[in-house]
This record gives sequence, structure tokens and C-alpha cells, in this order.
Amino acid sequence: DAGVIQSPRHEVTEMGQEVTLRCKPISGHDYLFWYRQTMMRGLELLIYFNNNVPIDDSGMPEDRFSAKMPNASFSTLKIQPSEPRDSAVYFCASSLAGTGFDYGYTFGSGTRLTVV
Amino acid sequence: AQKITQTQPGMFVQEKEAVTLDCTYDTSDQSYGLFWYKQPSSGEMIFLIYQGSYDEQNATEGRYSLNFQKARKSANLVISASQLGDSAMYFCAITNAGKSTFGDGTTLTVKP
Repeated sequence: DAGVIQSPRHEVTEMGQEVTLRCKPISGHDYLFWYRQTMMRGLELLIYFNNNVPIDDSGMPEDRFSAKMPNASFSTLKIQPSEPRDSAVYFCASSLAGTGFDYGYTFGSGTRLTVV
Repeated sequence: AQKITQTQPGMFVQEKEAVTLDCTYDTSDQSYGLFWYKQPSSGEMIFLIYQGSYDEQNATEGRYSLNFQKARKSANLVISASQLGDSAMYFCAITNAGKSTFGDGTTLTVKP
């Protein structure tokens, strides 16, 4: 398996523009997570899905952020309009929930977003 | 609510020596999992080791072992025979119902 695939790897955009981050989870994984990492706030869970259904979006900072998972192999995180404080590394991760908790997350390589 | 505390922002260890990275957690759940991840300077997050709350034996994965003390709510990571490639940030996480909460991380530097 190719692992969790995120695109783009780097994104530089101007304030006010729409940004769309993409994620392809590992085939068969039934959980998908979006995290944001900054020096100030560490790793923050934004939203996660189970079987394509959003379960908890309490970490989404504000209405400018939205996430979708139209099918088991694709998810997007959209920021509209973007602001400089959204600059961060955004990670997508997937996992397989079994009878125990043996399954760690598999993270994508992350998207480094810079809003200028 | 779940919480992870990693009290060591930075640690140094001499190559070939062992090092312990501290992690304490807080949860009201009876069933949970504890994980450690490694983040090298390249930025990717790598799963290292897992401990279930009902596991009586400490988890081991190669040079990594997890010192699990349930009564103290601690899940320290022990790296034996440190290598230069172990220099990275290490995150402890607690998981329940599929959702993980991460600590702030510990930066480990291995000195030659």
C-alpha cells in the first residue's frame, strides 16, 4: 500500500483565497482524521470521520473551515477565506479500528500551508 | 476528556545509551490505548509502539519499550542503545473510541 497520500505537499496562498487540502487514506481503514500542527498549539485534532461520516468536528476552528469525505478513498479540508493564522502543517491520518487499540494512526506526509 | 502530559520539552542522550521519555495521562475511561509516535526533522509522523489499558505486560518493539504503570497513569517510552537517527520529536497519545489526544512532544537529541 502507498500509505496515506496528501496533496499538495506545500501550498502558498494569499490571504482571502480558498485553499483545498486533499487526502487519500489507506484502503480498508475506516477512520480518517485531520490534524493541524503549529509550534504554538502542537497537534490539534480538527475533525474525524468513521466510515465516511463526520463524528466529531469540535476542533474545527471556525466556519471558514469545512471537511468532507464523499467516499472511503477521499477527503478534503477546505479553508475559505484563508488567513495568515491558518499557516500550519495539516496532517491527514487513517486507522483501522479493531477489537482492541492495536492500530496506530498512519499519517500522511502533511501539507505545509503558508498564507501570506 | 483525555489529557496527555509530556514534561520534558527537550532531552539529550549519548549515542548507545538508553533514554526514558516521560508521559502521564488523564482519562476517566476504563478502556484506552496508549501510543508513541516519532516525528523526525523531515516532518512525517511514525507510529512506534502501542499499549492497551488491559495489557498486563509492557509492550516492546525492537529497541522501544513502553513502561506502563497504570496506577500512576504513566506510559514512559524507553529507547535502548540510542542511535543518531533517533534524534527527533516524540509524541505520546491516548486513544479511545478511535480518537487520539496527543501530548506536546519531547525533542530528543542523540549526541555522538
